[in-house]
Amino acid sequence: EAGVAQSPRYKIIEKRQSVAFWCNPISGHATLYWYQQILGQGPKLLIQFQNNGVVDDSQLPKDRFSAERLKGVDSTLKIQPAKLEDSAVYLCASRRPGLLTGELFFGEGSRLTVL
Amino acid sequence: TQLLEQSPQFLSIQEGENLTVYCNSSSVFSSLQWYRQEPGEGPVLLVTVVTGGEVKKLKRLTFQFGDARKDSSLHITAAQPGDTGLYLCAGAFVDSNYQLIWGAGTKLIIKP
Repeated sequence: EAGVAQSPRYKIIEKRQSVAFWCNPISGHATLYWYQQILGQGPKLLIQFQNNGVVDDSQLPKDRFSAERLKGVDSTLKIQPAKLEDSAVYLCASRRPGLLTGELFFGEGSRLTVL
Repeated sequence: TQLLEQSPQFLSIQEGENLTVYCNSSSVFSSLQWYRQEPGEGPVLLVTVVTGGEVKKLKRLTFQFGDARKDSSLHITAAQPGDTGLYLCAGAFVDSNYQLIWGAGTKLIIKP
């Protein structure tokens, strides 16, 4: 089966500009996650979707970050305006439905550099 | 606040040596996963442990889940340069949200 697709792989912007990342999860996976990963650290959950509904967005900086999954399939994460500290890899992951142990399948990530 | 402490944060050893990575928490998990992440890629699942005291082996990698399901270890025997990467543990709570708590990661470098 095809894996989790993310784009773009790399993005360089200046602070105060905006950026959007796209994710297409594995077909049939109802749960989708966006994570922020600082180099060499563990992933930090930004938002979790179940189909097109938000399950957890408690750590999403809502003054500048937004995410949507309108049709319950692919998803977009937007940052506007970007700050220097937003430089990180943004990982999208999906989880197979009905899998109690919660294993995630990750995309390759989108690396953002804010100058 | 639920925390999963992973240690060591960084480990650099020679090829052929053994090593152990630990994940510890005060929380009881439904299961615990270990992932490996290589530069420029997303984490990839290595193993899931579910039962307290469970031991799983994946070639030279041995994973153990603590009896109380609060901690886990990853032991690598005769490490190889191909084992180099970022090792992440993630504890799962099986509730309606399937919450995952992530460790900070162990960056492992195996020198030839």
